[in-house]
Amino acid sequence: SQTIHQWPATLVQPVGSPLSLECTVEGTSNPNLYWYRQAAGRGLQLLFYSVGIGQISSEVPQNLSASRPQDRQFILSSKKLLLSDSGFYLCAAGQGAQAFFGQGTRLTVV
Amino acid sequence: KQEVTQIPAALSVPEGENLVLNCSFTDSAIYNLQWFRQDPGKGLTSLLLIQSSQREQTSGRLNASLDKSSGRSTLYIAASQPGDSATYLCAVGGIYGGSQGNLIFGKGTKLSVKP
Repeated sequence: SQTIHQWPATLVQPVGSPLSLECTVEGTSNPNLYWYRQAAGRGLQLLFYSVGIGQISSEVPQNLSASRPQDRQFILSSKKLLLSDSGFYLCAAGQGAQAFFGQGTRLTVV
Repeated sequence: KQEVTQIPAALSVPEGENLVLNCSFTDSAIYNLQWFRQDPGKGLTSLLLIQSSQREQTSGRLNASLDKSSGRSTLYIAASQPGDSATYLCAVGGIYGGSQGNLIFGKGTKLSVKP
């Protein structure tokens, strides 16, 4: 079965600092990969998804970016964090089958 | 652009009651639909997956139906238990190159089952 690794579990960063969240997947090859943000009271917002290495689709314009340097690695980045970037970030993997989620990273921008 | 709506936003029921959660989506050109469960501060756990060609899926006390043409899905929970208390999320898989593309979520229904 698939396992999604996300780290760190919690992160506190100052406004204007860079961000790099990493997600790796085990137990499958060529999965679709997803980054979501869950803000309080706003549900799960799809930020990026990828159907293959180097293929990134952005769902929401923002100051975040994503990259997929390897088949089972998905990275969420920002050059300068905003207060509004605070939230719970979830990585997921799936392809026409049940999607599996990591345990998430709670990011607080101060 | 696909939009997914879940009603009610919150539901409180006594233990043992049967209940139905609703999900609707605006674009019927979907690849699949999934129901998830999320406990507070945790990631998501997949409950049921319905492919676009299917009408329903069952797992234990859970039954999910899909009516693609009307853009609706329901999650039926039989004989609810306090351990079922969680937020239930519906997610619609879009089509990309003949396979699944994006995965769009509703805002969820927060279920509380009282002992």
